[in-house]
Amino acid sequence: QSVLTQPPSASGSPGQSVTISCSGGASNIEGETVNWYQQLPGTAPQLLIYSNDQRPSGVPDRFSGSKSGNSASLAISGLQSDDEATYYCAAWDDTWNGPLFGGGTKLTLL
Amino acid sequence: QVQLAQSGAEVRKPGASVKVSCKASGYTFTNYYINWVRQAPGQGLEWMGIINSAGGSTTYAQRFQGRINMTRDTSTSTVYMDLSSLTHDDTAVYYCARVLVRGLARFDYWGQGTPVIVSS
Repeated sequence: QSVLTQPPSASGSPGQSVTISCSGGASNIEGETVNWYQQLPGTAPQLLIYSNDQRPSGVPDRFSGSKSGNSASLAISGLQSDDEATYYCAAWDDTWNGPLFGGGTKLTLL
Repeated sequence: QVQLAQSGAEVRKPGASVKVSCKASGYTFTNYYINWVRQAPGQGLEWMGIINSAGGSTTYAQRFQGRINMTRDTSTSTVYMDLSSLTHDDTAVYYCARVLVRGLARFDYWGQGTPVIVSS
């Protein structure tokens, strides 16, 4: 059940910036807050952005989130090698009556 | 510090059941809900359900209704997820994750994951 749509892959060179999109609908992103998770290979996901644009303590300000209408975006500036990971968006869905995750975007550094 | 410590890897045959535990520490257990999220090999994250650690009420994703059961033991701050009638498609890593408010997808701490392999 993945109605939050993300591109499957993204890439960038060290030092560059990249943006990952997440699109949904009226029952999820448009009416709810969006969260982003970073999953490094072989590890559990970690909360990266919550409430659309808030960073938990310890998350560098190179990571930023935004939301407009039924879409959200995660921006990463100053790419570093340890940013290679899969990134998931997530939002509560009022129809599904549960949280939905996007399919994930695998970020590769060139 | 907040920790969610999960039980170890499990191997089951098709048709069997598996019970995974998630022991919480470092915070007031009954102040948070616990969710279960699974990830099949090479796939994304799939929400399975949520339990209110205080009252024990549960909500399950529709596709697991009838074969999933979540319980909690407040004396040990542990949540359990029982999944029955296993098939090969249930092979996945199972995570517990806490949330302060039901109705948000803000999971601020996750367990380390429990691999479950279903194999004949």
